[in-house]
Amino acid sequence: ETGVTQTPRHLVMGMTNKKSLKCEQHLGHNAMYWYKQSAKKPLELMFVYNFKEQTENNSVPSRFSPECPNSSHLFLHLHTLQPEDSALYLCASSQDTRTTPIHEQYFGPGTRLTVT
Amino acid sequence: QKEVEQNSGPLSVPEGAIASLNCTYSDRGSQSFFWYRQYSGKSPELIMFIYSNGDKEDGRFTAQLNKASQYVSLLIRDSQPSDSATYLCAVREGYGQNFVFGPGTRLSVLP
Repeated sequence: ETGVTQTPRHLVMGMTNKKSLKCEQHLGHNAMYWYKQSAKKPLELMFVYNFKEQTENNSVPSRFSPECPNSSHLFLHLHTLQPEDSALYLCASSQDTRTTPIHEQYFGPGTRLTVT
Repeated sequence: QKEVEQNSGPLSVPEGAIASLNCTYSDRGSQSFFWYRQYSGKSPELIMFIYSNGDKEDGRFTAQLNKASQYVSLLIRDSQPSDSATYLCAVREGYGQNFVFGPGTRLSVLP
């Protein structure tokens, strides 16, 4: 596997379900990100982790719960979602962004989530 | 609220022409700027980044940055139908963790 991988690629869940999205990066990076991309809206940054520590949480509802057990893996746990949470959820990684402003992000293929 | 703005398009250019994509940003503390290409149903793919005023060229792509005007652009020379996609401008403030994306410009290159 190379780059950034995400599973599952598609997910349909009911509002009472609990599910998890998984992201893995094979680039030797130590920062990982979750983004939400809804139709006709810009990419929205949800969470950022540097060296397994959460450094950003952009006012995301508590029904989204991130977990970063190590620098290569990132999860997004979902529970009691709403239909408006249906979107493409993208994971990205980069080098540590705290020492230089230069580092670019690389994205995974995304998980297309539909909440019914 | 930091904002990044782009013309939503669609921008249509004939094959072989130069496509010019523009982006403006509100935060003067922004230090680095990125252009991503996103095909329909796919994830964003990094094309270029720039952090110094002036031009940066990579193949058919040229990024231009003017921090005084808070403006960054992407030129695509010899446009090909395969360049048809949505182009996202992203801005990062200094050493912060927050990447702010624009809404994207949809480019259509007509054969």
